[in-house]
Amino acid sequence: GAVVSQHPSWVICKSGTSVKIECRSLDFQATTMFWYRQFPKQSLMLMATSNEGSKATYEQGVEKDKFLINHASLTLSTLTVTSAHPEDSSFYICSAPDPLTRNEQFFGPGTRLTVL
Amino acid sequence: GESVGLHLPTLSVQEGDNSIINCAYSNSASDYFIWYKQESGKGPQFIIDIRSNMDKRQGQRVTVLLNKTVKHLSLQIAATQPGDSAVYFCADSTSGTYKYIFGTGTRLKVLA
Repeated sequence: GAVVSQHPSWVICKSGTSVKIECRSLDFQATTMFWYRQFPKQSLMLMATSNEGSKATYEQGVEKDKFLINHASLTLSTLTVTSAHPEDSSFYICSAPDPLTRNEQFFGPGTRLTVL
Repeated sequence: GESVGLHLPTLSVQEGDNSIINCAYSNSASDYFIWYKQESGKGPQFIIDIRSNMDKRQGQRVTVLLNKTVKHLSLQIAATQPGDSAVYFCADSTSGTYKYIFGTGTRLKVLA
């Protein structure tokens, strides 16, 4: 099946710094990608929809200036957590829709962010 | 699904027994439903899906049941194995939106 990768798989940073997470569709093109956040022992919460060639669409309560999303190409979306704080520590997961069915999503392996 | 940010409920089953994991969703317009398995530190892994024009779908050792009247979804795993231990999430979506709403999740523990 189609593969979605994320980089890095984990990152530790100091409070106040910015962290960039990449999401790539490896063998298919994705005009749309999704970013989720998952806190320990909780479900995945949709943060935003990344759109190639246009602005991302953020879910209610997600700060667009804090979580910058850039969909630079048909295979790459990046999420930048700006001025990260300990409460931003979480598991960030991206997904991309199956280009054939447009319903099934392929998920990346996730990125564990720890802010000290 | 309905995600309320609570800690995950746990289902413990004996190896070889059948497991039933339940999920509720709230959006009446949802017409596509999926079950995912997530192992610790990994992304969700697709198990099985079902569309709203069906009420049952079977895969290898797994069956999904959909009850649209009460907005309820269940995942049945036959002959549960140790490798089935993971957290299971349901998700629902509406055609054309491509957005998934995930349920709370259930941790399945398989006892040897």
